[in-house]
Amino acid sequence: DAEITQSPRHKITETGRQVTLACHQTWNHNNMFWYRQDLGHGLRLIHYSYGVQDTNKGEVSDGYSVSRSNTEDLPLTLESAASSQTSVYFCASSESGRASYEQYFGPGTRLTVT
Amino acid sequence: SQQGEEDPQALSIQEGENATMNCSYKTSINNLQWYRQNSGRGLVHLILIRSNEREKHSGRLRVTLDTSKKSSSLLITASRAADTASYFCATDANAAGNKLTFGGGTRVLVKP
Repeated sequence: DAEITQSPRHKITETGRQVTLACHQTWNHNNMFWYRQDLGHGLRLIHYSYGVQDTNKGEVSDGYSVSRSNTEDLPLTLESAASSQTSVYFCASSESGRASYEQYFGPGTRLTVT
Repeated sequence: SQQGEEDPQALSIQEGENATMNCSYKTSINNLQWYRQNSGRGLVHLILIRSNEREKHSGRLRVTLDTSKKSSSLLITASRAADTASYFCATDANAAGNKLTFGGGTRVLVKP
């Protein structure tokens, strides 16, 4: 069965370190998204991609970067981790085209920056 | 900024009762979607309603959309303990982009 996976599921890192969160989907979806979820804010969009070599900034992109070298993967990098980036991170994917489609979410990565 | 705002923020009901939650949004949309999130898990898509639709059903779920009031409601009928979760509305302003803006969610507790 197709799925979307994230790794690691839990990560503790120190302020100033570079961290990369992995997202891998086997749906063959062109669209991929990264969100962060914090209490009181719901999910906020960090970056998104509509296909290989395409990346776009979302609502809260400062301090984050993504790259899309293939259809299956969209890794999220925190260039220099800050305590404000302690959060739960979700990756999602969806079909692309003229219609609107549901998004399929991964299980999330809980990141703690100390 | 959040496009959708859910109301209430939390809801506690007995098994068998109906649960209703509302979502208000600010700008024009192409469609509105509802998602469920069980504790510690990712979001799961429940239902999508397009801007030209007023009501949609899926099993025990009923969603309404009033674009003139920029609001939507999700009704869960005959609730079960397994319905305990957080429910989020998400708006899609641009069909081609499929970029969603989520509200803060409603936490629903169904007591057995």
